[in-house]
Amino acid sequence: DAGVTQSPTHLIKTRGQQVTLRCSPKSGHDTVSWYQQALGQGPQFIFQYYEEEERQRGNFPDRFSGHQFPNYSSELNVNALLLGDSALYLCASSATGTAPYEQYFGPGTRLTVT
Amino acid sequence: DAKTTQPNSMESNEEEPVHLPCNHSTISGTDYIHWYRQLPSQGPEYVIHGLTSNVNNRMASLAIAEDRKSSTLILHRATLRDAAVYYCTSETGANNLFFGTGTRLTVIP
Repeated sequence: DAGVTQSPTHLIKTRGQQVTLRCSPKSGHDTVSWYQQALGQGPQFIFQYYEEEERQRGNFPDRFSGHQFPNYSSELNVNALLLGDSALYLCASSATGTAPYEQYFGPGTRLTVT
Repeated sequence: DAKTTQPNSMESNEEEPVHLPCNHSTISGTDYIHWYRQLPSQGPEYVIHGLTSNVNNRMASLAIAEDRKSSTLILHRATLRDAAVYYCTSETGANNLFFGTGTRLTVIP
């Protein structure tokens, strides 16, 4: 049983460009959350998708957007990249049901903005 | 969003117990306490969670203070594979996690 997978592993972009990161959830999971982890910091919640809609959002600007597909996979899009967007982007999946929710994290995508 | 406070780093000798503390004085009565750990170059990994009662699983034990303002993750016998950053988080029941800066655990052979 494959866990959470993310692609690409690493990515280098230039300021002002746009980037798309991808995530496939663990089998049987229907909810995908995205986190940003700056160097030396804990992960920060960006947003969460369930039933192809954004269900919750953290304190991130509209440059950060996402999508969930019918097969529950998800994309994170970041427009107009800033140097400060350089971070590890983590995807986590969980199964909607009775709280509390154990989340399974992928290995992350390391984004470097130059 | 409950804020969690943890020591930046701790050390333990191999095969000895480790007690990792966490303060979460602003936690609400319905927020769960979760612990995750992150090994180098990996995403966080679930360790344990609880609400009010102490909890045990194959990885660790979680001791929650009666007033719920603090908790302690207990690794009964630290191994070299337990070296990681340990995060104490709160979860509102809405399926998202609020991480602090975590405790970097070093295990000394």
